[in-house]
Amino acid sequence: EPEVTQTPSHQVTQMGQEVILRCVPISNHLYFYWYRQILGQKVEFLVSFYNNEISEKSEIFDDQFSVERPDGSNFTLKIRSTKLEDSAMYFCASSVDLGSAYGYTFGSGTRLTVV
Amino acid sequence: DAKTTQPNSMESNEEEPVHLPCNHSTISGTDYIHWYRQLPSQGPEYVIHGLTSNVNNRMASLAIAEDRKSSTLILHRATLRDAAVYYCILRVGAGSYQLTFGKGTKLSVIP
Repeated sequence: EPEVTQTPSHQVTQMGQEVILRCVPISNHLYFYWYRQILGQKVEFLVSFYNNEISEKSEIFDDQFSVERPDGSNFTLKIRSTKLEDSAMYFCASSVDLGSAYGYTFGSGTRLTVV
Repeated sequence: DAKTTQPNSMESNEEEPVHLPCNHSTISGTDYIHWYRQLPSQGPEYVIHGLTSNVNNRMASLAIAEDRKSSTLILHRATLRDAAVYYCILRVGAGSYQLTFGKGTKLSVIP
């Protein structure tokens, strides 16, 4: 079954450093998303991306965050200057279409630890 | 997304059926009912969705009340691998990109 692949599985970074989290969505999917889950808390929406631009973003997705689809297969989330509170699991997801009749496929996540 | 209410936790014996309830009394006519689950240390996993009629797939069945104010996810034979947090989510009509996750129901499966 097709999968969403995320790398690395775990990243440790120092506060103030830039990190890039990488995702390879399912090949025929057109919509891409990032979610995060702080330990013990709910899964939260960050951003959605379609046709090489951001479609929707949450309040969490401030100027420190950016997304990019640098080639035909990768989808990245960059955090410019990490803070301790950015420590969380970050999940990439993709869907074939936007409509509410379609499910999302999530990756296994990247655990980001900011020290 | 409209609000849903689920029990915090449930238990089931292995190989028994499990009925996971969800209330969504403020659902509107175009809202789809989606279920996802999250196994420990994994990303959310799509389970099933429906609009008005009951739905079956290889993972589960979804029973939707006639007034659509509640639904039930049915796992026909619980296995240890089904131990997870199950989320009931309403997807509004076109134009909504995000899934709004609540706390879900933590299902424990007893061997």
